[in-house]
Amino acid sequence: DGGITQSPKYLFRKEGQNVTLSCEQNLNHDAMYWYRQDPGQGLRLIYYSQIVNDFQKGDIAEGYSVSREKKESFPLTVTSAQKNPTAFYLCASSIGGGPLSDYGYTFGSGTRLTVV
Amino acid sequence: AQSVAQPEDQVNVAEGNPLTVKCTYSVSGNPYLFWYVQYPNRGLQFLLKYITGDNLVKGSYGFEAEFNKSQTSFHLKKPSALVSDSALYFCAVRRLSGTYKYIFGTGTRLKVLA
Repeated sequence: DGGITQSPKYLFRKEGQNVTLSCEQNLNHDAMYWYRQDPGQGLRLIYYSQIVNDFQKGDIAEGYSVSREKKESFPLTVTSAQKNPTAFYLCASSIGGGPLSDYGYTFGSGTRLTVV
Repeated sequence: AQSVAQPEDQVNVAEGNPLTVKCTYSVSGNPYLFWYVQYPNRGLQFLLKYITGDNLVKGSYGFEAEFNKSQTSFHLKKPSALVSDSALYFCAVRRLSGTYKYIFGTGTRLKVLA
């Protein structure tokens, strides 16, 4: 089955530690995204990538880093510079093309990150 | 600036009754509007979209949405609610910057009471 796989489902981070969240898709989608979800705030865009080896900052990129070395993979690293990382992180992908071929996002099941 | 608003944090409806989840938007030019649903501890699932054409859009699970350009609204509707429809619903508008980024509303929690 085609889809997006995020791992792990739950992740605990100690203060000062970097952690990496995995996102893999087998949909052959060009674009991939990372969102952070906090209660009452909806989804906020962290980083996005429209093509391999290229990515752009979203609205809340500080304290996060990404890479896009393969079309299928878009890992997110939450660095120690992110002061409030506890949240639900969602990865998404979308097919390229013009507006009429825009079918929206396909989301992964999310990773819940907690600072301990 | 583009934005999307969901004025209700929560909507309660009795099973079998019609439901409406409200969404208003602000964009320059033609809007591309979407509805997604999220079940607990899961990612969002696509329900329906409006790009162009008929103002009434039909989507998954019996949901539909009406695009109203004069009121800049895109309310989600269903004629008869099910308990299993209880979830978090997000409205989204696509940014018109040549990319495929979306702005999401803050979400509306729908609770269908048996």
